[in-house]
Amino acid sequence: DIQMTQSPSSLSASVGDRVTITCRASQDITSWLAWYQQKPGKAPNLLIYAASSLQSGVPSRFSGSGSGTDFTLTISSLQPEDFATYYCQQTHSFPLTFGGGTKVGIK
Amino acid sequence: EVQLVESGGGLVQPGGSLRLSCAASGFTFSNYNMNWVRQAPGKGLEWVSYISTGSSTINYADSVKGRFTISRDNARNSLFLQMNSLRAEDTAVYYCACGLSGYYRFDYWGRGTLVTVSS
Repeated sequence: DIQMTQSPSSLSASVGDRVTITCRASQDITSWLAWYQQKPGKAPNLLIYAASSLQSGVPSRFSGSGSGTDFTLTISSLQPEDFATYYCQQTHSFPLTFGGGTKVGIK
Repeated sequence: EVQLVESGGGLVQPGGSLRLSCAASGFTFSNYNMNWVRQAPGKGLEWVSYISTGSSTINYADSVKGRFTISRDNARNSLFLQMNSLRAEDTAVYYCACGLSGYYRFDYWGRGTLVTVSS
């Protein structure tokens, strides 16, 4: 199974800050990676797929990069509605696996 | 507008059974792979099961293999999860989620249905 490791598990940031979350796969997944945002009590929402492709309707302040085993989600200027938990997911092979999540809180 | 609406959750005793349903609308159901993903209270996301557009390919997480069965009815735009031999560790919100055929990401999600396994 492919293990996905996210860091940090939580962070505190202010509105306007640049935020970076990393995700590492236990083996090469080329660009088969997705990122999701989840707010409390809500279903996850797809932000990024194929490591760097922005899902339709997602603000351009979100971006993804990386390939192979190391990936990054960046929020260029954090907005109030971005305080949430973020998950990476490998879309390479079964069993499909998620990272443990990164909770972005208010500083 | 894409809609996925889960139903069938509830309280069940250990060893019991439950059948979840997911009603889809707003998109061509037969063009999308379907999945079940769960989230235990206060925990992260765990993929549970996958079924391809025509039901020819089915996969399960090891944690549910042999106990859960996924199925779909393209004529009724519906997805199902039959859960048998339920355990306390199966307690979670169960989401149905779909992805475009050929891809293993989750483009759309339902709001989830809570399954509680407890005596």
